[in-house]
Formats: sequence, C-alpha cells, structure tokens
Amino acid sequence: DTEVTQTPKHLVMGMTNKKSLKCEQHMGHRAMYWYKQKAKKPPELMFVYSYEKLSINESVPSRFSPECPNSSLLNLHLHALQPEDSALYLCASSRMGGVRETQYFGPGTRLLVL
Amino acid sequence: ILNVEQSPQSLHVQEGDSTNFTCSFPSSNFYALHWYRWETAKSPEALFVMTLNGDEKKKGRISATLNTKEGYSYLYIKGSQPEDSATYLCAFVSNTGTASKLTFGTGTRLQVTL
Repeated sequence: DTEVTQTPKHLVMGMTNKKSLKCEQHMGHRAMYWYKQKAKKPPELMFVYSYEKLSINESVPSRFSPECPNSSLLNLHLHALQPEDSALYLCASSRMGGVRETQYFGPGTRLLVL
Repeated sequence: ILNVEQSPQSLHVQEGDSTNFTCSFPSSNFYALHWYRWETAKSPEALFVMTLNGDEKKKGRISATLNTKEGYSYLYIKGSQPEDSATYLCAFVSNTGTASKLTFGTGTRLQVTL
C-alpha cells in the first residue's frame, strides 16, 4: 500500500475561520511533507517533519501551523488566511527523509480563501 | 534560489509518436533527481529517482537518462498513448542536513491524441 490520503478534498474558508487539513499514511514512513501549489506553478515545499519533529520550515507565515501527532498523521492548521493562500496543498511521505528516497504524494486539498 | 527548468512547457503529440523532454538543474551539490507524472485530479506518481551520472532507468515505455556534470536529465516516452497524457515534473534534491528537500521544475504538460 503506497497510499497517502488527504482530507478534505476541497475546503472553502473565510479569512477569520480556523480550519485544519489532514494527511495520513500507513507505510511506516518517518518523514512527512507539506507542499503548496499555486495555479500554473510547481509545488513548493512548506514544512518537513522527520521522526515527528519539525526539521524544515521554509519561512512559512505563522498563520499556517503544522502538527505531527504521530508517525502516521500530519495536520496543517489554518488561521486568519488571506485570499492569496488559495492553492492546492499536497502532503507527501518518505521512508526516512533520505535524499534518494521516493516521496509518495496524496491527491491534495484544494483550498479557497474568501 | 535553485533554478530547475523544464522544456518544453507543453507538448501535443499523436498516439504512437515517441517524445522526450528535458530537465535542467544545478550541476553542483547533486544528490538526486526525481521524475513524477501528475494526472489531473490525481496524486503525483513517482516514476524514477536518478542518482548517478550516466544513470538510465526504464519503466515500460518510459525511460530517463541523467547527466550530472552538465546538469540535465531527459525523459523519453516511446509510442505515446492517450493514457500518457499528464504533466511530467522533475525535482532536484537538496540536502539541508536535517532532511531532503525537493525543488520542482515547472513541468511539461503532455497531451496525446488519437
């Protein structure tokens, strides 16, 4: 099973709302990633968790708050977002985070901020 | 900022045609290059992880080569089929010391028609 699941598939939220995106994998992977993809642009890395610890934060605004409660689950908490945060948010996982490892992606959550 | 470029941006071929696209990346501090296929509304699917100069990898009708000294990789599709229609992304891997980081190219969008 090489599946990474993400919920919800679509999300519409206002600028004052608080919402969360969820990502799950059951491959025993210890590295998990959040990417953001704006229309007609490549995915850009936001955060990396390695063994449930945050190891990379690509200078992401604090209105995005990641959480890794266990090795199978990765959340992205959203608060006071701006319309320009509307994008596809992709989650990925890899075995241990090594440079030669395949990253397995979920289908993404499409977020619209009004 | 890493510069990972792909060409062409888009390609339209007939069923049965063979085609190829290019990924250019920095030739220094090379660790690995990933190729992904991304169909609309699906998860990006890993095709290859290329690590050594001169690497050639094959998966069915799709193959890839790697030249790390000059900083490019080619992806070839032999006898294109409509189901090959997708965006093909390459991703250059950096090692931050704490985790690996993928920097994606802008992709080549392939459309195969009957």
